Amino acid sequence: DQQVKQNSPSLSVQEGRISILNCDYTNSMFDYFLWYKKYPAEGPTFLISISSIKDKNEDGRFTVFLNKSAKHLSLHIVPSQPGDSAVYFCAASGGTGTASKLTFGTGTRLQVML
Amino acid sequence: DADVTQTPRNRITKTGKRIMLECSQTKGHDRMYWYRQDPGLGLQLIYYSFDVKDINKGEISDGYSVSRQAQAKFSLSLESAIPNQTALYFCATSDRRSTDTQYFGPGTRLTVL
Repeated sequence: DQQVKQNSPSLSVQEGRISILNCDYTNSMFDYFLWYKKYPAEGPTFLISISSIKDKNEDGRFTVFLNKSAKHLSLHIVPSQPGDSAVYFCAASGGTGTASKLTFGTGTRLQVML
Repeated sequence: DADVTQTPRNRITKTGKRIMLECSQTKGHDRMYWYRQDPGLGLQLIYYSFDVKDINKGEISDGYSVSRQAQAKFSLSLESAIPNQTALYFCATSDRRSTDTQYFGPGTRLTVL
């Protein structure tokens, strides 16, 4: 049972435009959400997170939006740059007995074209 | 220097061999994790440890064992490697005094022939 879903395996965006990566979850106990970026031959790198008490968190070019009623979150990258080309993983944590355990989506490969 | 290191970075072995993957961290975190990633899939949790005396199974622990030798070291063993254990393996750490954010090592690419 995939509790965190990233339904788009890949996304291509022109440099300078907005990239929107989406993530859906099914477990209503999740209360903390994270985005990781992964380059080839490297480990995932923490990008940005959001607690369920918020609906938006911003860090420079990266903004994460959380819609709890829809169990949906999205990562916006504005403006997109070629160095943003990577695989992006959505992750979630929370619920009884799951403190610090993350459940990951399958990832979305973002390609930013010149 | 990297905060979370993994050795080896690449390993090719044969079916039935015992393999150990090692993870060390200088972040001072108390919690450590082992994940595997298969092509097209997300990261799946193998084992996790909230301190030196606390070891817990994750989603896919069968065929694996771990040892937490010290707060900074967490090793993963494959007692008798099989081809479907061919994958990328990642170690991660987190701090119980902080959020659930985990910090990952660079990974080990393991191939079992």
